[in-house]
Order: sequence, then structure tokens, then C-alpha cells
Amino acid sequence: RKEVEQDPGPFNVPEGATVAFNCTYSNSASQSFFWYRQDCRKEPKLLMSVYSSGNEDGRFTAQLNRASQYISLLIRDSKLSDSATYLCVVNKRGAGGTSYGKLTFGQGTILTVHP
Amino acid sequence: NAGVTQTPKFQVLKTGQSMTLQCAQDMNHNSMYWYRQDPGMGLRLIYYSASEGTTDKGEVPNGYNVSRLNKREFSLRLESAAPSQTSVYFCASWSVFGAANYGYTFGSGTRLTVV
Repeated sequence: RKEVEQDPGPFNVPEGATVAFNCTYSNSASQSFFWYRQDCRKEPKLLMSVYSSGNEDGRFTAQLNRASQYISLLIRDSKLSDSATYLCVVNKRGAGGTSYGKLTFGQGTILTVHP
Repeated sequence: NAGVTQTPKFQVLKTGQSMTLQCAQDMNHNSMYWYRQDPGMGLRLIYYSASEGTTDKGEVPNGYNVSRLNKREFSLRLESAAPSQTSVYFCASWSVFGAANYGYTFGSGTRLTVV
């Protein structure tokens, strides 16, 4: 089983739609969680960190459920510019409580927003 | 502009040739990383350097070597390139001690083809 699993999609939605992405992680020692966005042939960029209490940034809402080892990203009022691949990312602590920022990436979920 | 700079952006090698991918960051980050990204595989960690003077293997280190030349620079070397090393390579950096930007900053990537 992969450490981080995402539905690869693709998701094709019209402008203005609400779309949700899910992600599960297998390692209960995972400590930090992120969503990254990657445009075609570009580097990944941090979209938002994910906190246990849930967090919102404009049209984007991220949720974490530690008991179920599940992370979600909700995008409201989709824009054409939201078309990209969304990467679910986790960070677990290593020996001695350190993590050194070794992130584990999911395969990504492809989103296409059409007019 | 502050960030992570990778060179070259594109490279074609013949099987058996060697080359070094260069990476430099000007954000005074302690930790640096090399990932490769292949279709359907997501990003996989090759090597990382938690701090200046240290390097450690990641998930897929075989066929690669690294050098943390100083705090700014982290290079990746392919001693004898193989077609299986055809991939997109990303360098990233991250401050371990509570940087405001909690997450990676990636370079723009190197697209390597081994024929």
C-alpha cells in the first residue's frame, strides 16, 4: 500500500462548481500535512497547510481527520485558473523526533475546470 | 529574486555518460532535497541534506550521489546515466526551525532524457 493515496482523477468540472479531493495516508506517525498545486510542466507550489481544526483560505478549505488518516481539499466556485494537479503531502517524524522535512507525496489529482 | 535555482533546465545524455545537476538557494534554509518525478509515480526523494555537512539517502538513491557544498548549494550527480533515470528532477529547500513559509520551495526542475 502506498504511503499517500489519492484518486488520480481526472476531475472535469464547469466553472463555478464545487469539487472535493480526498487523500489517505498509511503512516500514523505522520505529523504535518499539506496540499500542493502543480501546473503542467512546472514545479509544485505550496497551496496550504492542513491543521487538525481545519483551515480555510478564500475558496479553499482543507480538513484533516487523524483517526481515519484522511485529508481533504474542497474548492468552491471553481475558476479556469484552478486547473492543475493537486498533490497531497505528508511529513512524518523520524528517529529522535526529527523529520528533516522529508515529505511524502501522493500521485496527484488532476483537475480541469471548463467554461 | 529569492528562491531555489536549478541548472540546467533540460539535458539529453547518452547511456553511460555522467553529469551533475546544480541547485542553489538564497533563503538561508538549512535543509535541501532532491526529488525525481515520473508519470504515475509522484515525487520520490532521492537524497536530502538536513544541514550543511550532512547528506542521507532517500527512497530511491541508487545511481546517484550528492554533495552539500555549503549552506546554499546541493548538487546531484549521475555517474553513469541509464535510461531508467529519464525523469524530471526537482531540488527543494526548507527551513527546519519554524520558517514562516512552512513547506518546500522548489526549483523549476531539470528535464533529463537518457538515450
